[in-house]
Amino acid sequence: QKEVEQNSGPLSVPEGAIASLNCTYSDRVSQSFFWYRQYSGKSPELIMSIYSNGDKEDGRFTAQLNKASQYVSLLIRDSQPSDSATYLCAVPLPGTDKLIFGTGTRLQVFP
Amino acid sequence: DAGVIQSPRHEVTEMGQEVTLRCKPISGHDYLFWYRQTMMRGLELLIYFNNNVPIDDSGMPEDRFSAKMPNASFSTLKIQPSEPRDSAVYFCASSRPGQAYTEAFFGQGTRLTVV
Repeated sequence: QKEVEQNSGPLSVPEGAIASLNCTYSDRVSQSFFWYRQYSGKSPELIMSIYSNGDKEDGRFTAQLNKASQYVSLLIRDSQPSDSATYLCAVPLPGTDKLIFGTGTRLQVFP
Repeated sequence: DAGVIQSPRHEVTEMGQEVTLRCKPISGHDYLFWYRQTMMRGLELLIYFNNNVPIDDSGMPEDRFSAKMPNASFSTLKIQPSEPRDSAVYFCASSRPGQAYTEAFFGQGTRLTVV
């Protein structure tokens, strides 16, 4: 099993809908989780971090963490065409400073 | 600050040639990471430095790859000899002390094509 797994997509949602992006990780002791957004031809940029079970909201973005299920998700409310990008889930390898990325989910928001 | 600066942005080279990628981290950041991104394998960590010292190079694919950080403001990733399978986008990222990954900022990347 890969350390961080994501569905590659594409995930297509209409403008204004909620986009739900999911990520599972293999190491039960992982404590920190990150979501990066990468536009086509650009570099990844950090958009959300979450450390505790439950939800964390930042504007239209909500990160949800369930450590028991080893599952972290990102919800994007009121999706906009400008949200169309690849979303990368990242988890540090416990005991190291190595940040392991999933392969990313491509999101397409159509007008 | 101008952010993490990588050069060149694009590199096309012939198989067997030496390739050197360069990175200037954000001033004050003491972690520096080199990643490689391909469609098949996604974003892979190759090597990272802390205070100019290589900490973990287990992601370096083979001896053809080497990386150095002679000072806090400059790092290089060298491939010698290059092969077509090395074609990828190579990213450099840096982060502040005590936040090895929380605030990792990426450069714009170098797109390498080996023909």
